[in-house]
Amino acid sequence: QKEVEQNSGPLSVPEGAIASLNCTYSDRGSQSFFWYRQYSGKSPELIMSIYSNGDKEDGRFTAQLNKASQYVSLLIRDSQPSDSATYLCAAPFAGANNLFFGTGTRLTVIP
Amino acid sequence: DVKVTQSSRYLVKRTGEKVFLECVQDMDHENMFWYRQDPGLGLRLIYFSYDVKMKEKGDIPEGYSVSREKKERFSLILESASTNQTSMYLCASSTASNEKLFFGSGTQLSVL
Repeated sequence: QKEVEQNSGPLSVPEGAIASLNCTYSDRGSQSFFWYRQYSGKSPELIMSIYSNGDKEDGRFTAQLNKASQYVSLLIRDSQPSDSATYLCAAPFAGANNLFFGTGTRLTVIP
Repeated sequence: DVKVTQSSRYLVKRTGEKVFLECVQDMDHENMFWYRQDPGLGLRLIYFSYDVKMKEKGDIPEGYSVSREKKERFSLILESASTNQTSMYLCASSTASNEKLFFGSGTQLSVL
């Protein structure tokens, strides 16, 4: 069974805190991982991609990948109310032409 | 600015009707996808296409068909709409390397 799993939340953090979003995947052959953000009533948009073990930073966002543990996470530093959204983890499984999405984690940043 | 355009934002149909959802992309992308999104179930792939006239079943193709006669256009067809097909439908496109999906704004379909 090919799966991408996320805690559905909701996750609430105060403004200025670090939000930590987690994702596990079932296919050890997956080589690339993506985080999409989806505001309520809107379509998903890509915010981060990561291909190698370790950390990748982009502004307030850091993606972390641990292939041995089949675990990918997204950290949002200095969280803002505008970060309130559902965050979707996605990965293409080996041999597949499409991305598999997790069910998403709903994040609320409290002012 | 890149764009994936879905023909309708909201659509209301009756059980048994044939429904067409249209999607057009202007990025010359090879791949196009149709997902449906339901609360608690996330994004589920219905069909995708990696070339003109080519199609592949996704995770939940039953009750749906697709058509891709031109590279920029990918249509989702509900042959006989049923109430359990009430959902948000999202079209997406990507290059052949599949690195990044660009989504349309979605069509909220209600089948009564």
